[in-house]
Amino acid sequence: NAGVTQTPKFRILKIGQSMTLQCAQDMNHNYMYWYRQDPGMGLKLIYYSVGAGITDKGEVPNGYNVSRSTTEDFPLRLELAAPSQTSVYFCASSYLTSPPGELFFGEGSRLTVL
Amino acid sequence: DQQVKQNSPSLSVQEGRISILNCDYTNSMFDYFLWYKKYPAEGPTFLISISSIKDKNEDGRFTVFLNKSAKHLSLHIVPSQPGDSAVYFCAASEGKYIFGTGTRLKVLA
Repeated sequence: NAGVTQTPKFRILKIGQSMTLQCAQDMNHNYMYWYRQDPGMGLKLIYYSVGAGITDKGEVPNGYNVSRSTTEDFPLRLELAAPSQTSVYFCASSYLTSPPGELFFGEGSRLTVL
Repeated sequence: DQQVKQNSPSLSVQEGRISILNCDYTNSMFDYFLWYKKYPAEGPTFLISISSIKDKNEDGRFTVFLNKSAKHLSLHIVPSQPGDSAVYFCAASEGKYIFGTGTRLKVLA
């Protein structure tokens, strides 16, 4: 059972470089999310998607872009990396249910921008 | 503007005693609340949830209480075990999920 898979697990970037964090889920979930966790700051929602072709901003979207071309994949793009984007990034997915279903998280991607 | 707040960054409890973790929220439109547990270097895992139409939900050693008038929820763990040592996040949903800052629980053997 793969669940939610994130790659890479670790990455060091130089200021101004760009990269894409990959996220894939094999549970046929409608909803997918990207969160970042800074020390002592909890999980902040960056972007989310309610289905293929539909994305929306969360609490902290600046400096990031996303796309959702398939149900399974939800990549997160950093165009011009900045030290403030040093964080642990978590991708998550859930069903569209009422009441809301639980979130299933990936193991995280630790990004350092120097 | 923190819509979901966990005001205690850490908590230490003796093994076998009760652990009480608290969470406050400001948005009255939240209709579902969840608790997640996170170990180091792992993603958060779901623990227990509660709908806004209920005031209590129990699952084994874990019970969540919701006080809508006070916009407050709490997670009770009885009895606490050393394996419960982790960071606990509360989350609230109005479609998307908003998380609190987390409370680090340490259960002392």
